[in-house]
Amino acid sequence: SQTIHQWPATLVQPVGSPLSLECTVEGTSNPNLYWYRQAAGRGLQLLFYSVGIGQISSEVPQNLSASRPQDRQFILSSKKLLLSDSGFYLCAWSGPLIGNQPQHFGDGTRLSIL
Amino acid sequence: GENVEQHPSTLSVQEGDSAVIKCTYSDSASNYFPWYKQELGKRPQLIIDIRSNVGEKKDQRIAVTLNKTAKHFSLHITETQPEDSAVYFCAASIWANNLFFGTGTRLTVIP
Repeated sequence: SQTIHQWPATLVQPVGSPLSLECTVEGTSNPNLYWYRQAAGRGLQLLFYSVGIGQISSEVPQNLSASRPQDRQFILSSKKLLLSDSGFYLCAWSGPLIGNQPQHFGDGTRLSIL
Repeated sequence: GENVEQHPSTLSVQEGDSAVIKCTYSDSASNYFPWYKQELGKRPQLIIDIRSNVGEKKDQRIAVTLNKTAKHFSLHITETQPEDSAVYFCAASIWANNLFFGTGTRLTVIP
C-alpha cells in the first residue's frame, strides 16, 4: 500500500532563517505531488504541484519554492522566512493518471516563525 | 480560477440528528468533488468523493449530492455520532488534480 511521510512534524524558526521541509511517498511510481498551506482556522491553499521529476508549478507567488529531485521526493524551501509563513504545511500525493484522482495527505508540519 | 464557497462555517447538532454541509463552485468545467474530514491537528482524510457523471453517492451514513446545473454539492451525515465532530472541507477540481478547497465547516456533535 502507499504511504506518505512528511518531516519534521513541528518546527520553530526565526524570521529570516531558511526552510526545508521534506515529503516522500512509498508504494507508487510517478505520483503527482502537492504542497498546501493551512493557516489557523482556515482552508487549504495549494502552493505547488508536480507531475514529474523537475516539473514544478506554482499556484501562489511568494518567497517559497519547491523541488522534486527524485520521483517520490518533494521538498518545500525558503531562503528567508517571513512571519506570514507560519502555518500548517501539508504534502499530498495522487495517482499518476491525469484527472480526478483522490489526493492523500501526509501528517503535516506545523511551522511557527518567531 | 475556481472559487469554492462552503457553508455553514460552524454547525452543532444533537447526537443522532443529521448534518448537512453545502458548497458552491464557480467553474462549470469542474468534474471532481471530494470531501475531507480533519480532526484537530491531524491530516485531512478523504471520506467520500463524487464525479460529475453522477448526481449522488452514498457510503453508509455519509452521502454526497451534486447539482451541476446549479453548481453546488452537499455532504449529508445521518445518525451523527460524537466521533463525527471535526472540520469538514469540500473541494472541486478541473482535471490535473488541482483541488480548490472551501474554507471548512466545524461540526460539533453534542452527546
